[in-house]
Amino acid sequence: GAVVSQHPSWVICKSGTSVKIECRSLDFQATTMFWYRQFPKQSLMLMATSNEGSKATYEQGVEKDKFLINHASLTLSTLTVTSAHPEDSSFYICSARDFRGGGGSNQPQHFGDGTRLSIL
Amino acid sequence: EDQVTQSPEALRLQEGESSSLNCSYTVSGLRGLFWYRQDPGKGPEFLFTLYSAGEEKEKERLKATLTKKESFLHITAPKPEDSATYLCAVAEGGGNKLTFGTGTQLKVEL
Repeated sequence: GAVVSQHPSWVICKSGTSVKIECRSLDFQATTMFWYRQFPKQSLMLMATSNEGSKATYEQGVEKDKFLINHASLTLSTLTVTSAHPEDSSFYICSARDFRGGGGSNQPQHFGDGTRLSIL
Repeated sequence: EDQVTQSPEALRLQEGESSSLNCSYTVSGLRGLFWYRQDPGKGPEFLFTLYSAGEEKEKERLKATLTKKESFLHITAPKPEDSATYLCAVAEGGGNKLTFGTGTQLKVEL
């Protein structure tokens, strides 16, 4: 259980293009999902918390107009990188917690396989 | 500000050579310490959650322990398939935000 799927796994596009990344919880519902960014040899950095039916919460320094998050259903969150530039190239990973077993906020986050974004 | 430091950055072991990975943390109000395994080009795979000092968890060749300042991931008789980057993360406050270390890249050779 607790499978998180991310799509696409790899995107290469020209500078100025907007790119949408999907994150789905396949076998559970997730009112909250999390979006991370990981640069080579660096740790995962939380970008924002996606909340179903309401606005996302962004971490300090993350431009909300640049990284648009929509969490329209209990199993789907999307991250859109608007007008992407080479400095946005990174590995983007989403996660969600499965509360079916109880444990509340102590439940671990389960991660998707990430999206490698390369902006030319 | 929460801090998580992992050591060593990289570790090369021979098959069967046991060792330990370290995760030191400073956090106000620990809500959980998590260990993940990450293979190249993949997202992290959950291994363990530890909540309180003295707690231990085991899974196959891996054993995680926790004190008030650090956690260890012990690898007993590792195999080449254990090669991966091992990440440590702490949750504080409401538990939503995870702060990750930079990981230990483990390579197990025949």
